[in-house]
Amino acid sequence: QVQLQESGPGLVRPSGTLSLSCAVSGVSISSGFWWGWVRQAPGRGLEWIGEVFHTGTTNYNPSLKSRVTISADTSNNQISLKLTSVTAADTAVYYCIDSGWFSLVSWGQGTLVTVSS
Amino acid sequence: EIVLTQSPGTLSLSPGEGVTLSCRASQSVDSRYLAWYQQRPGQAPRLLIYGASNRATGIPDRFSGSGSGTDFTLTISRLEPEDFAVYYCQQYGSSPPMYTFGPGTKLDIK
Repeated sequence: QVQLQESGPGLVRPSGTLSLSCAVSGVSISSGFWWGWVRQAPGRGLEWIGEVFHTGTTNYNPSLKSRVTISADTSNNQISLKLTSVTAADTAVYYCIDSGWFSLVSWGQGTLVTVSS
Repeated sequence: EIVLTQSPGTLSLSPGEGVTLSCRASQSVDSRYLAWYQQRPGQAPRLLIYGASNRATGIPDRFSGSGSGTDFTLTISRLEPEDFAVYYCQQYGSSPPMYTFGPGTKLDIK
């Protein structure tokens, strides 16, 4: 069974860079699935951020593409998210996910990131 | 970009009742690309249905999905207390590859 655990700073300064990691257990990230991130602002709906294949191929939400980098670290079986030039609108719970059958199959528990000075 | 609309926004029901939730797309969606999720308060979303009608692993058979084209539904045959949650539909678009979600339907206990 796939388990996903997000980690990273809970507070980021405006204009800074949000950096998160997701440790994957139960399966190798080289196994053929896509791995990515979804976020949810407080009291709001779900927003897909993007995904990465173990080869390094990525797909991003066009609305965030200019600020997002998602990468895969096969040696440590983890993926990472970097979001630059953050504002208060980027305050959200960030979920690590894996995708299959054109759906988001497994979800981490999520980590709250607040953008504030 | 395909936009998903869910109705109603909120429903108040009693345990034991049945319910059908609606998800409408602004353009036709390949049924393989339509999924449903449940999110209980304070928890991560959970995949319920993929490919419009296939239950994910471990999902009880009181949950069923159907539909095609622009209209899809999620039916819960007999509501259990743990089913009171928010339900999201999601579609996968291939050009560019991306996932989009509906705004969600909240099921409240009456």
